[in-house]
Amino acid sequence: DVKVTQSSRYLVKRTGEKVFLECVQDMDHENMFWYRQDPGLGLRLIYFSYDVKMKEKGDIPEGYSVSREKKERFSLILESASTNQTSMYLCASRPDSPGNTIYFGEGSWLTVV
Amino acid sequence: GEDVEQSLFLSVREGDSSVINCTYTDSSSTYLYWYKQEPGAGLQLLTYIFSNMDMKQDQRLTVLLNKKDKHLSLRIADTQTGDSAIYFCAEYGNNRLAFGKGNQVVVIP
Repeated sequence: DVKVTQSSRYLVKRTGEKVFLECVQDMDHENMFWYRQDPGLGLRLIYFSYDVKMKEKGDIPEGYSVSREKKERFSLILESASTNQTSMYLCASRPDSPGNTIYFGEGSWLTVV
Repeated sequence: GEDVEQSLFLSVREGDSSVINCTYTDSSSTYLYWYKQEPGAGLQLLTYIFSNMDMKQDQRLTVLLNKKDKHLSLRIADTQTGDSAIYFCAEYGNNRLAFGKGNQVVVIP
């Protein structure tokens, strides 16, 4: 079974703190994604990566950066957390082939106070 | 960019069929998906359909795709209380997966 693991399930951080959200997948997938989910807004794509050290901006990249130093790990970084970044963050991965299935982690609930 | 539209809420009696609809805009989408999210949980892939198919059936689930109208639907037969969840449709194209805002389904016993 494919497993996408998000290291932190629940976090509470203070405004201005630097926050790292880690995601690891164990199936050698090329593509990895970070989304945030907010009530009434669905899932919105923050960043994605199609290879090691490669990254592309999604629809809402402002306030975020990412790192993909190893194929299995995709990190989301909040350089200076703000209260409007309180949200549920979901990581996903997908192989190049077959490309029909995308796997999600369980989500990380981040509260910024 | 892609735009995926869903209605927000559906209430259905246990044992009835439920139908959730979705429209999308990206005609180059290769795959279309239905995901289920239960409270406090991540997204569970229910089923997907390749863009050159019209219909896919998987046990109680039937997916219909109308490419001309860019309309996707999910029919759940014999809806159970365990089917209460938020359902998201999503389209994959141009290396990205775009989601609708979700449709909350409440099953009444």
